[in-house]
Amino acid sequence: QSALTQPASVSGSPGQSITISCTGSSSDVGRYDFVSWFQQHPGKVPKLVIYDVSNRPSGISNRFSGSKSGNTASLTISGLQAEDEADYYCASYTTSSTYVFGTGTKVTVL
Amino acid sequence: EVQLVESGGGLVQPGGSLRLSCAASGFTFSSYWMYWVRQVPGKGPVWVSRISTDGYKAFYADFVKGRFTMSRDNAKNMLFLQVSSLRAEDTAVYYCIRDFGDRDDFWGQGTLVAVSS
Repeated sequence: QSALTQPASVSGSPGQSITISCTGSSSDVGRYDFVSWFQQHPGKVPKLVIYDVSNRPSGISNRFSGSKSGNTASLTISGLQAEDEADYYCASYTTSSTYVFGTGTKVTVL
Repeated sequence: EVQLVESGGGLVQPGGSLRLSCAASGFTFSSYWMYWVRQVPGKGPVWVSRISTDGYKAFYADFVKGRFTMSRDNAKNMLFLQVSSLRAEDTAVYYCIRDFGDRDDFWGQGTLVAVSS
């Protein structure tokens, strides 16, 4: 199972919106609405920010939103804040009854 | 308070084995699928395996099939990962996770497995 493809880096100024893409195939992202997004700060455990494509867990800011079109899922962070600077990973359920992560995106707040 | 505490990691020679454990508390362990994810420090996480609530069904990433075996003891609220035929590329922090990528997603702090001669 190949890793989902994400851009290596995305940057934005405080207050701006950024979008991170996550491209898979018809065997994962395109097949199921089981795409999740994780935020990871250095030295910390990954933290779930979106599940089932567009749902936010309790306690996650509504500045985080998710969507999907075809084989590509997207995470949008609006009103970018300094604390959003982190690595972000998508993950998807697959037709093999397994999961696969994305390659990861480093978000920089300028 | 939900807790997942991994243990059993350490330094092992190539070809060796370890049994990773995860002690769960603060929730109804038997109601959740459980997962293992590993991560090389400085690299992205990699999904490893999952096991059904009753322990009868387990699924593995292709790169660990035949080498890793996941199991659970619902009576003791314990999760296990038997890792065998270890290779240098298996060196990583191994995380125990409840309900991966879903509403009740919760990660332990991880246990480090280092494979080296």
